[in-house]
Amino acid sequence: QSALTQPASLSGSPGQSITISCTGTSSDVGGHNYVSWYQQHPGTVPKLMVYDVTNRPSGVSTRFSGSKSGNTASLTIFGLQADDEADYYCSSYTSSGTWVFGGGTKLTVL
Amino acid sequence: EVQLEESGGGLVQPGGSLRLSCAASGFTFGSYWMHWVRQAQGQGLVWVARINHDGRTINYADSVKGRFTISRDNAKNTLDLQMNSLRVDDTAVYYCVRVLYNSGSFDYWGRGTLVTVSS
Repeated sequence: QSALTQPASLSGSPGQSITISCTGTSSDVGGHNYVSWYQQHPGTVPKLMVYDVTNRPSGVSTRFSGSKSGNTASLTIFGLQADDEADYYCSSYTSSGTWVFGGGTKLTVL
Repeated sequence: EVQLEESGGGLVQPGGSLRLSCAASGFTFGSYWMHWVRQAQGQGLVWVARINHDGRTINYADSVKGRFTISRDNAKNTLDLQMNSLRVDDTAVYYCVRVLYNSGSFDYWGRGTLVTVSS
């Protein structure tokens, strides 16, 4: 049950687009479409941003977009805003019937 | 409104036990899979365990298998986590989490309860 691999940190300027990658294996990210993304601001609980690879829950901005290619899933944030500064985590179901998170990416909006 | 409220956290010595509970309201509890996820201070999210809607399918992270037991009471709308043989590295905030229906993602999170394992 190794954690999915995410970049530890990323940064971007307001208005730019950034992509956070989440790399796993064929037993998790590559083998299932239960990949999700969470945003966590300091001192708050995680918020679901994308589920089942590409779907956005009601109320989540269309600036957030999920995708997957092979064993790597990605979260793209278009038109960065100051409030997007947060930690982001990916998660995937695994073939063992368990779930696994990524190590998290700290996004800084310059 | 969906609400998940954890309780039972606290300070416990290594090797000790603790039982966490999660009171659910605002939805048909017995229809949803539920999970526990933990997060150590300043660290990332770690999946702990899950239980399906009727309690017949249960899975654990390797790090807690054999020490933790997840259970639920659909009549009382509660989710529990019995934690035995606690270790220092079990120290974390434990979140009760609901699974989005027909999905593998977590749509509602409780505020969490802090478990501190220390001598």
